[in-house]
Amino acid sequence: DGGITQSPKYLFRKEGQNVTLSCEQNLNHDAMYWYRQDPGQGLRLIYYSQIVNDFQKGDIAEGYSVSREKKESFPLTVTSAQKNPTAFYLCASSTQGGPDTQYFGPGTRLTVL
Amino acid sequence: GDSVTQMEGPVTLSEEAFLTINCTYTATGYPSLFWYVQYPGEGLQLLLKATKADDKGSNKGFEATYRKETTSFHLEKGSVQVSDSAVYFCALASSNDYKLSFGAGTTVTVRA
Repeated sequence: DGGITQSPKYLFRKEGQNVTLSCEQNLNHDAMYWYRQDPGQGLRLIYYSQIVNDFQKGDIAEGYSVSREKKESFPLTVTSAQKNPTAFYLCASSTQGGPDTQYFGPGTRLTVL
Repeated sequence: GDSVTQMEGPVTLSEEAFLTINCTYTATGYPSLFWYVQYPGEGLQLLLKATKADDKGSNKGFEATYRKETTSFHLEKGSVQVSDSAVYFCALASSNDYKLSFGAGTTVTVRA
């Protein structure tokens, strides 16, 4: 089955530690995205990538970093510089950047202890 | 910039009741409009979409019509079930942009 996988489902981190969230897709999509979801709010875009080895900042990129070395993979690192990292993180992909349907993974819930 | 405003929740209904969730948007050009659904603890799933004015998107008994004159994309279902309990997000994609702009989400609970 084609789809997007995110791991782990739950992640706990101590303050001051960096942590990397995994996102893999086998849909052969060119574009991939990372969103953050907080309770009672819509999704906010962190980073996006339209092609391998290229990515751009979204609306709330501070304290986060990404890489896109392979078409299938778009890992997100939450650094110690992110002041309030506890949230639900969602990865998505689409066939191309632009007004196209985005398909979402199941999400990773990050809790900072 | 582009934005989406949707009805605040939570919304609680009885089974077989009629559901409407209002969504209005602000955008330049001719955006595409989407409704996504999120079940507890899961990611978002596309429910339906419309890409031009007067288009009607439909899926699983849900419908929404792209109304350019009122800049709206209201979601409706004639008879809800307990399994429709979820958070519903209205979203917009500009005609020349990569981004999806999301509404804040509306939590719907259907009671048996």
